[in-house]
Amino acid sequence: DAGVIQSPRHEVTEMGQEVTLRCKPISGHNSLFWYRQTMMRGLELLIYFNNNVPIDDSGMPEDRFSAKMPNASFSTLKIQPSEPRDSAVYFCASSLIIGDYEQYFGPGTRLTVT
Amino acid sequence: DQQVKQNSPSLSVQEGRISILNCDYTNSMFDYFLWYKKYPAEGPTFLISISSIKDKNEDGRFTVFLNKSAKHLSLHIVPSQPGDSAVYFCAAPGDGNQFYFGTGTSLTVIP
Repeated sequence: DAGVIQSPRHEVTEMGQEVTLRCKPISGHNSLFWYRQTMMRGLELLIYFNNNVPIDDSGMPEDRFSAKMPNASFSTLKIQPSEPRDSAVYFCASSLIIGDYEQYFGPGTRLTVT
Repeated sequence: DQQVKQNSPSLSVQEGRISILNCDYTNSMFDYFLWYKKYPAEGPTFLISISSIKDKNEDGRFTVFLNKSAKHLSLHIVPSQPGDSAVYFCAAPGDGNQFYFGTGTSLTVIP
């Protein structure tokens, strides 16, 4: 299996622009997670899905952030409008079932908002 | 509020010596803990875990110790190798699949 796939790997955009991050989980995994990594807060869970349904989005920092999972093999995290403080590395992870403690992470998307 | 804390942002160790990475948690309901390892430009990968019914779990050069009364766990790497240089995250699953990660400790093993 190719593992969790994220695109783009790097994104540089100007403040106010819309940013869309993409994730393809490992085939057969039913749970998908979006994390943000910053120096100050480490890895923060933003939102997670189980069987394509959002379960907990309490980590989403603001209404500017939204996430969708239209099918079992694809998810997006959108920031609109983007701000410089959104600059971070965003990781997507998947696990086989909810309650499976081992999560498999993608390589991350490094977002820079100028 | 950080429920899982790693108070040492960095650690340097000589090759062949022991590396000890520490992690503290605040939620006494946590019953499972994991360590993830992260190389630059890659996602974190699972390294080792421990259930709260144990106080030690060993896997090759890696051993995790859990002190429930102190709400503290540590990862020991012995002997340390240059390839162990990475960022190590401590994590604990909460309700549902809510994972709480620490801020990470960057380990440098000096050849």
